[in-house]
Amino acid sequence: AQTVTQSQPEMSVQEAETVTLSCTYDTSESDYYLFWYKQPPSRQMILVIRQEAYKQQNATENRFSVNFQKAAKSFSLKISDSQLGDAAMYFCAYRSAIWTDKLIFGTGTRLQVFP
Amino acid sequence: DTGVSQDPRHKITKRGQNVTFRCDPISEHNRLYWYRQTLGQGPEFLTYFQNEAQLEKSRLLSDRFSAERPKGSFSTLEIQRTEQGDSAMYLCASEGEGVYGYTFGSGTRLTVV
Repeated sequence: AQTVTQSQPEMSVQEAETVTLSCTYDTSESDYYLFWYKQPPSRQMILVIRQEAYKQQNATENRFSVNFQKAAKSFSLKISDSQLGDAAMYFCAYRSAIWTDKLIFGTGTRLQVFP
Repeated sequence: DTGVSQDPRHKITKRGQNVTFRCDPISEHNRLYWYRQTLGQGPEFLTYFQNEAQLEKSRLLSDRFSAERPKGSFSTLEIQRTEQGDSAMYLCASEGEGVYGYTFGSGTRLTVV
């Protein structure tokens, strides 16, 4: 069975600085998708970024980028120029490309942003 | 389109009562998902539909839980004979064709007393 591990329960960063959130996963599949979701205190989950496993190029979305290391099964999220509005829970998630459409989530990392 | 709507936002119920939650997905989305999230944890998959067909159910979904999606539009999740362990946030999400990521609703927080 696939698992997703987020080993940092909490992280903090100063406004305008850069922070990296870690995620590792375990799978025997070769084709899959990885996601980062943000859950602000209002609790509505928002998709931050998506990566297809067959693509070597790391995904980027404005200030958000990932470091996808397929062999190491690592998928970290880098937030550049951090803003107060980035404060939230961040969840890493795995999705098979073949067998199912469900997401498997990690336990999350709470990010605090200090002015 | 106002996104994914869930109703109610909060529900307090006594142990042993039945509760039903509703989810209205984005209208053109054919896939609809239910997840449960407890405090400090990531969401756990419960079940999902493609149109009106329920394609997968988690082993977490005991026989007290049932979900429907009549006509492939809105969905309901019913919990019968609620237990204190059912207290959680119940999240609904929908997705259109392709794999672009879910759109989540704001959730229904269930408290069983």
